[in-house]
Amino acid sequence: LAKTTQPISMDSYEGQEVNITCSHNNIATNDYITWYQQFPSQGPRFIIQGYKTKVTNEVASLFIPADRKSSTLSLPRVSLSDTAVYYCLVVLTDSGNTPLVFGKGTRLSVIA
Amino acid sequence: NAGVMQNPRHLVRRRGQEARLRCSPVKGHSHVYWYRQLPEEGLKFMVYLQKENIIDESGMPKERFSAEFPKEGPSILRIQQVVRGDSAAYFCASSPPKWGTEAFFGQGTRLTVV
Repeated sequence: LAKTTQPISMDSYEGQEVNITCSHNNIATNDYITWYQQFPSQGPRFIIQGYKTKVTNEVASLFIPADRKSSTLSLPRVSLSDTAVYYCLVVLTDSGNTPLVFGKGTRLSVIA
Repeated sequence: NAGVMQNPRHLVRRRGQEARLRCSPVKGHSHVYWYRQLPEEGLKFMVYLQKENIIDESGMPKERFSAEFPKEGPSILRIQQVVRGDSAAYFCASSPPKWGTEAFFGQGTRLTVV
């Protein structure tokens, strides 16, 4: 399973764009990059998933360079309610299910 | 957390008692995963089950912990003779047979051993 590395914590002011970068040097050809968000006292929630280039949804954008050894989760104009832990995972999606492996994530604190 | 129901939300047990944590997956999901989370830590995988089968229990402590997912009813994580170190949040997730896009997590059960 590819190991991921991401910053332990980040601070941001409301209204700013936040970019969280994740390294996954050993990513395999069939792995997808997936991000989850976890609020205090709640289970993780899927945010976004991608394989290469750029993916955008109503919550975030995910940028993946051609070599796929890293990825960047971009949260536009964060608010206080975006304070959470963000987890970067690589997920093998084409050969049945393997359990998701979570690291410690990045603790984002949004300040007014 | 679309549809994964865990109960109880909070559970207090004295040392030596048994704890039973229940997880009802999203309707139609046949795969269940249990995770444990200590304060300020990430989620640690414990066990992966399909209906009536344990697929991967590599993260499960060898003693006192067991899990099942019967043909009918919720998945159960059972901790016998609890100790203070078992105090944690336990999360359950469910998925369809292939990951596709996402797993759905429940709100968790917070176990406190006193």
